[in-house]
Amino acid sequence: EPEVTQTPSHQVTQMGQEVILRCVPISNHLYFYWYRQILGQKVEFLVSFYNNEISEKSEIFDDQFSVERPDGSNFTLKIRSTKLEDSAMYFCASSLSLGEKLFFGSGTQLSVL
Amino acid sequence: TQLLEQSPQFLSIQEGENLTVYCNSSSVFSSLQWYRQEPGEGPVLLVTVVTGGEVKKLKRLTFQFGDARKDSSLHITAAQPGDTGLYLCAGERTSGTYKYIFGTGTRLKVLA
Repeated sequence: EPEVTQTPSHQVTQMGQEVILRCVPISNHLYFYWYRQILGQKVEFLVSFYNNEISEKSEIFDDQFSVERPDGSNFTLKIRSTKLEDSAMYFCASSLSLGEKLFFGSGTQLSVL
Repeated sequence: TQLLEQSPQFLSIQEGENLTVYCNSSSVFSSLQWYRQEPGEGPVLLVTVVTGGEVKKLKRLTFQFGDARKDSSLHITAAQPGDTGLYLCAGERTSGTYKYIFGTGTRLKVLA
C-alpha cells in the first residue's frame, strides 16, 4: 500500500534555531496536512494545503510556521525560531480528496532543548 | 476549546472481554473517523461514518454514528491483545473543510 514518508524520524535542535520537517505525500494525493501531538496529549491540527496554498490553519500555526511544496513530491513544514513548547511529534498526512481517508506518516519527533 | 471528548481515557481489560469507547461533542459533525495509533506511529484510519445513525462493522469492531451526528461509539467484541493501542475519533465540522478535529483519545490495553 502506498504510504506517506517523513524525514527525519527524530530531530533535536536548540531553542531559537530553524527546523524543516520533510514529508513525501502519496503521489496522486492532492490535499496535504500537518498535525502535531505533544507527548501524552491529543493530535492537533496545524495546517492544510491544497492547490499550492494554505487552505486552513489553526491558532497554533502562527508566523513562526510556514509550509511549502517546493516540487511535485515534497511537502515541508518550517519552524523559523523554535521554542521549547514546539517539542512534539509532527505528523504529515495526505488525502486524495476532501473528506477522503487521511493517510498519516510515521511522524518526526522534534525535541527543542 | 475541547470539541471531542472521548471516554474512557484509559481502559485495561482481559482478553475476550467486550468494551465500548465513546466520542462525544456538543457540535454536529458532517463525518467522523476512527483511528488507531500504535506507539511511535501515525494514526491509521479504521472507519469513516457519515450518516446519522449509521452502523459499520469491521470484523470484531462495530462503529456507530449518533442520530444527531454529535457522538459516536466504538464497540469491540472479544478483545484480543492485538487490539491494544490508542483509539482516536476525529470529526469534520463542515463538509468540505480541510481539517479534522481529533478527540482526546482512549488508550486500550488488552491483557492476555
